[in-house]
Amino acid sequence: GAVVSQHPSRVICKSGTSVKIECRSLDFQATTMFWYRQFPKQSLMLMATSNEGSKATYEQGVEKDKFLINHASLTLSTLTVTSAHPEDSSFYICSARLQGGEKLFFGSGTQLSVL
Amino acid sequence: AQTVTQSQPEMSVQEAETVTLSCTYDTSESDYYLFWYKQPPSRQMILVIRQEAYKQQNATENRFSVNFQKAAKSFSLKISDSQLGDAAMYFCANFGNEKLTFGTGTRLTIIP
Repeated sequence: GAVVSQHPSRVICKSGTSVKIECRSLDFQATTMFWYRQFPKQSLMLMATSNEGSKATYEQGVEKDKFLINHASLTLSTLTVTSAHPEDSSFYICSARLQGGEKLFFGSGTQLSVL
Repeated sequence: AQTVTQSQPEMSVQEAETVTLSCTYDTSESDYYLFWYKQPPSRQMILVIRQEAYKQQNATENRFSVNFQKAAKSFSLKISDSQLGDAAMYFCANFGNEKLTFGTGTRLTIIP
């Protein structure tokens, strides 16, 4: 089956620093990747849709300057949390979509803790 | 806009028994897909079952089946012969207009 690798699985950083999270589709090409955020005991909230070679589309209320998304190749999308603050602490999950399909494959998530 | 509603925050079932998780949705799309995902404590999202909206026949995957009522916009999940490994958060989701929208989830507990 299709595998999506997300790295790192856990990161702790100081307030004011930037953190980069990678999402890779290992055995398929993903023209579209999605980034979700999940607070404890809550659902997954879509942050942005990342299309290869074009600018990401952000959901309402998500700061594009704070959450930088780059999708430079068909197998890699990155999410950079810039100038992180404690309120950015959360579980971030990426998913990749098989070209032309409706199936999404999820990474294992990244727990971000900002001190 | 798409919305997905799960009205049961928590459910419990005796091992080997059957349990049904409820889900309703709203969408303006004519072409969409519905999913149930399982999220165990590891937090890895696992696809349980998938339903194409244009298909009337209810999807089944081994012990998992759905009751898809398109007119009522209802999409419930039935788990038969519940096992301890079924304990997890279950999310109903709707894929339409190039987006996957999740419900708030139901925490399922299996009683040995």
